[in-house]
Amino acid sequence: QVQLVQSGSEVKKPGASVKVPCKVSGDTFTNYGINWVRQAPGQGLEWMGWISAFNGNTNYAQKFQGRVTMTTDTSTSTAYMELRSLGSDDTAVYYCALRLAGILPYYMDVWGKGTTVTVSS
Amino acid sequence: QSALTQPASVSGSPGQSITISCTGISGDVGVYNSVSWYQHHPGTAPKLIIYEVTNRPSWVSHRFSGASSGNTASLTISGLQAEDEGDYYCTSYTSATTLVLFGGGTKLTVL
Repeated sequence: QVQLVQSGSEVKKPGASVKVPCKVSGDTFTNYGINWVRQAPGQGLEWMGWISAFNGNTNYAQKFQGRVTMTTDTSTSTAYMELRSLGSDDTAVYYCALRLAGILPYYMDVWGKGTTVTVSS
Repeated sequence: QSALTQPASVSGSPGQSITISCTGISGDVGVYNSVSWYQHHPGTAPKLIIYEVTNRPSWVSHRFSGASSGNTASLTISGLQAEDEGDYYCTSYTSATTLVLFGGGTKLTVL
């Protein structure tokens, strides 16, 4: 079955960038769109954006426009989320997620286990 | 765009029913049928429990149901069980600048 594999954790300094990978296994990568959702400590889930693995189309939440870039590598079936100019409020668990039935992000039924990003000097 | 509005917390006793509201759903809901609900326990990945307003994935108990009326969607959990305790989030897909909106989340406590 389709699985999303995420790395465990990253530690970054304020002002740095982080690039979080999400590897899709179990099916053809280009059948899907990859969403990125984060949860900061004590906060709710927050949708950051989406990328189509089929054609690279993206949609970013307004809050992150200009600071986030989502990309894919079809040769390794991996999606990436890069967030720049990190601040302490970017400390969060970052999840990737997809919808099995198609590319557009109507809902998300498969989730990765999350990557913890800690921003600290 | 503002997040969708959910109550911060709800509670109920085992066996009771509770309903969580989600306000601020755009008119796009009628076009895309796109409200979904997620259950989230700390330290684990969120779990889809309702999609397309009323549909339940095969792995979800029939005790969970969804509905929508006007600009408000709702999640009802009947026959509350201790394992239902956790955080619940609604989301909506829209054709606006930001495709997906999340609610602020509701913490369910089973007394």
